[in-house]
Amino acid sequence: AQTVTQSQPEMSVQEAETVTLSCTYDTSENNYYLFWYKQPPSRQMILVIRQEAYKQQNATENRFSVNFQKAAKSFSLKISDSQLGDTAMYFCAFASGTYKYIFGTGTRLKVLA
Amino acid sequence: KAGVTQTPRYLIKTRGQQVTLSCSPISGHRSVSWYQQTPGQGLQFLFEYFSETQRNKGNFPGRFSGRQFSNSRSEMNVSTLELGDSALYLCASGASGGQETQYFGPGTRLLVL
Repeated sequence: AQTVTQSQPEMSVQEAETVTLSCTYDTSENNYYLFWYKQPPSRQMILVIRQEAYKQQNATENRFSVNFQKAAKSFSLKISDSQLGDTAMYFCAFASGTYKYIFGTGTRLKVLA
Repeated sequence: KAGVTQTPRYLIKTRGQQVTLSCSPISGHRSVSWYQQTPGQGLQFLFEYFSETQRNKGNFPGRFSGRQFSNSRSEMNVSTLELGDSALYLCASGASGGQETQYFGPGTRLLVL
């Protein structure tokens, strides 16, 4: 069975600084997708970035980028130039062809002014 | 395009009652997934529907059921409510489900007294 582990329950970062959130996963499948979602206090889950496992190039989306290490089954999220609006719960998620997402337990990120 | 909508947004029920939650996916999306989010258990997959058929199901008791209509709208029903059913119920839609990106609704917060 697939599992997703986020080992950092809480993190904080100063505004304008860079922070990296960790995620590891376990799967025997070769074809899958990985996602980072953020959930601000409003509770609306918002897609941050996604990575297809067959792509070697790390995905980037403006200030957000990932470090995808397939062999190590690691998928970390880097947030550059952190902004107050980045304060949220961040979830790492795994999806394969079984039509369901597996979510990690989340990392609560607080951006400090 | 309008996003995923969920109704009602908040609900208070008492133990033993039943409840029905509704989810309208993004126009053109045919896959709808349901998740339960609690502080203790995190985000857990309930089930996924595609073209009115349940394609996958999580590890929840039979009190949790769902259905999807021909217009892709989905309902989730919980019978004989228990205190532990208090949670945020999230619905997500995708064009065809599986590994693709899911877009989440704002959730329905259910409180069971």
